[in-house]
Amino acid sequence: KQEVTQIPAALSVPEGENLVLNCSFTDSAIYNLQWFRQDPGKGLTSLLLIQSSQREQTSGRLNASLDKSSGRSTLYIAASQPGDSATYLCAATNQAGTALIFGKGTTLSVSS
Amino acid sequence: EAGVTQSPTHLIKTRGQQATLRCSPISGHTSVYWYQQALGLGLQFLLWYDEGEERNRGNFPPRFSGRQFPNYSSELNVNALELEDSALYLCASSLGSLAGLNEQFFGPGTRLTVL
Repeated sequence: KQEVTQIPAALSVPEGENLVLNCSFTDSAIYNLQWFRQDPGKGLTSLLLIQSSQREQTSGRLNASLDKSSGRSTLYIAASQPGDSATYLCAATNQAGTALIFGKGTTLSVSS
Repeated sequence: EAGVTQSPTHLIKTRGQQATLRCSPISGHTSVYWYQQALGLGLQFLLWYDEGEERNRGNFPPRFSGRQFPNYSSELNVNALELEDSALYLCASSLGSLAGLNEQFFGPGTRLTVL
């Protein structure tokens, strides 16, 4: 059974800092892994999707990596801004690729 | 291009009643997913519909049910509401796939409160 864990649960950084959010999953036989952003009380915004055959994806200041053998993914945010403040969620598919299993998220606060 | 839409935004019901939540996917998407985000429990997968068929179901009791219409919109029904059903219900859509899940795009959610 796929389980997804995100560490840390909360993170506070000053503006301009580079930071890394961590995600680990128990079943390495994933179909894909997605990173999302959620603002308070709102829906999810898809940030990056990494297929199982890929090692990383990049979008602007965001870079996500995937290491299936160790069951880990990281989201790297460069030059953080106050507008990056949100909860970041990692989700991995189950082995059959029929459900997306979410971690509980990392709540990021970037101060100006 | 319009994103995933959900209605209503907020819904208040009492214990024992039934709730109906609606979702319209992005144009061209045939898969619709439902998730529950209850306080302290995180996002949990509820249901996946593709081309009108239920493709997978999460670990929820049968009083959680749904359907997908020919235009690919979807409805989630929750019968015999309990206090712990209070949550944000999120709908997502993706291009259909026989092989597994494609990138999912989420709607703004319906906040269900059970009194």
